[in-house]
Amino acid sequence: NAGVTQTPKFQVLKTGQSMTLQCAQDMNHEYMSWYRQDPGMGLRLIHYSVGAGITDQGEVPNGYNVSRSTTEDFPLRLLSAAPSQTSVYFCASSYYRGVDPGELFFGEGSRLTVL
Amino acid sequence: RKEVEQDPGPFNVPEGATVAFNCTYSNSASQSFFWYRQDCRKEPKLLMSVYSSGNEDGRFTAQLNRASQYISLLIRDSKLSDSATYLCVVNGGRAGTALIFGKGTTLSVSS
Repeated sequence: NAGVTQTPKFQVLKTGQSMTLQCAQDMNHEYMSWYRQDPGMGLRLIHYSVGAGITDQGEVPNGYNVSRSTTEDFPLRLLSAAPSQTSVYFCASSYYRGVDPGELFFGEGSRLTVL
Repeated sequence: RKEVEQDPGPFNVPEGATVAFNCTYSNSASQSFFWYRQDCRKEPKLLMSVYSSGNEDGRFTAQLNRASQYISLLIRDSKLSDSATYLCVVNGGRAGTALIFGKGTTLSVSS
């Protein structure tokens, strides 16, 4: 079972470059989300989606775009990379119970370095 | 005030010890509560959900106090394999649809 698949696992960018972190899940989960994890900061929510065509901002959305054209995919776009975006990025999905998400299933993470 | 706050630790305990972690949350409308476990350089994984009546799963016991907006996790008879970071998770956000993570509490169990 694939679960939640993130690509790439590692990426080095130069300041100002753009890129897309891919996330795909094969569990038919309505809810998908992106977090970033930095030392001492814990996991911070960037964007989330409760279904295809629906997205919302989390705690730290600036500098990131998302779209949800299908149930399976939830890509995260960095518009113009900055060193402050150096982090580990996790994509997570779950069933959406109409009130809030249940158990989150995480991808293995994408480690991004911006020089 | 941060939405979810935890004592970062680290908690250093010997094998067999009992250890308790606490977590407070700011949104009184929160309805869902979880403890996740994260091993070093790995993704978080669900440890257990937290129910109003409290719940137990083997050596792990979770409690919820809605009046004080407080969640706890008790680990009995600690094992070396319990060494990890424990994350308190609460639903919140503008529409209550996002899951908000605490910064985590680090546990190190030694022999």
